[in-house]
Amino acid sequence: DAKTTQPPSMDCAEGRAANLPCNHSTISGNEYVYWYRQIHSQGPQYIIHGLKNNETNEMASLIITEDRKSSTLILPHATLRDTAVYYCIVRVVDNAGNMLTFGGGTRLMVKP
Amino acid sequence: KAGVTQTPRYLIKTRGQQVTLSCSPISGHRSVSWYQQTPGQGLQFLFEYFSETQRNKGNFPGRFSGRQFSNSRSEMNVSTLELGDSALYLCASSLIPRYNEQFFGPGTRLTVL
Repeated sequence: DAKTTQPPSMDCAEGRAANLPCNHSTISGNEYVYWYRQIHSQGPQYIIHGLKNNETNEMASLIITEDRKSSTLILPHATLRDTAVYYCIVRVVDNAGNMLTFGGGTRLMVKP
Repeated sequence: KAGVTQTPRYLIKTRGQQVTLSCSPISGHRSVSWYQQTPGQGLQFLFEYFSETQRNKGNFPGRFSGRQFSNSRSEMNVSTLELGDSALYLCASSLIPRYNEQFFGPGTRLTVL
């Protein structure tokens, strides 16, 4: 699976949009971009995933650049409960397995 | 419906002992994966099971083993515990191996003294 690069930490004001970048310049054509987050002392939580089109769900939006070498996770109105470590993961989705390769992630601190 | 459950939540062992951790996936989920999380190495994949068969294995020594039962419940075992095995052990389940969303349990915090 391709390697990802994320800033180690970011701050965001409560109520504002949080934009978390991820670089995956070596992504292959059949690799998807996934985002998970881990709130302190809990297991990781799935947020969203995409292949090449932008995606939106009730939690967040995922913007993938046209060349697919980078993406941005957007939390439109960050709350204090969104304080967590956010992981960007790229992986092939096939019947070979479900392994996730986690990097260091971005520690997002939402401040009042 | 109930989420992924892991037992026990906390465990203290001494070096040389062995430990067994249990994971009950969400009802209907047949794929179970295990991860180790430490401050130094982060989240690392241990192994994945589907239909009682190990599908993938991470880069861990043979002291780490696991199995899956016919009801999809899974156990992992660590023998001859070392201090470095102190970690949060997380279990994740999904419907099938290629399913997009994996659901993680709260983890078992293992401390080796």
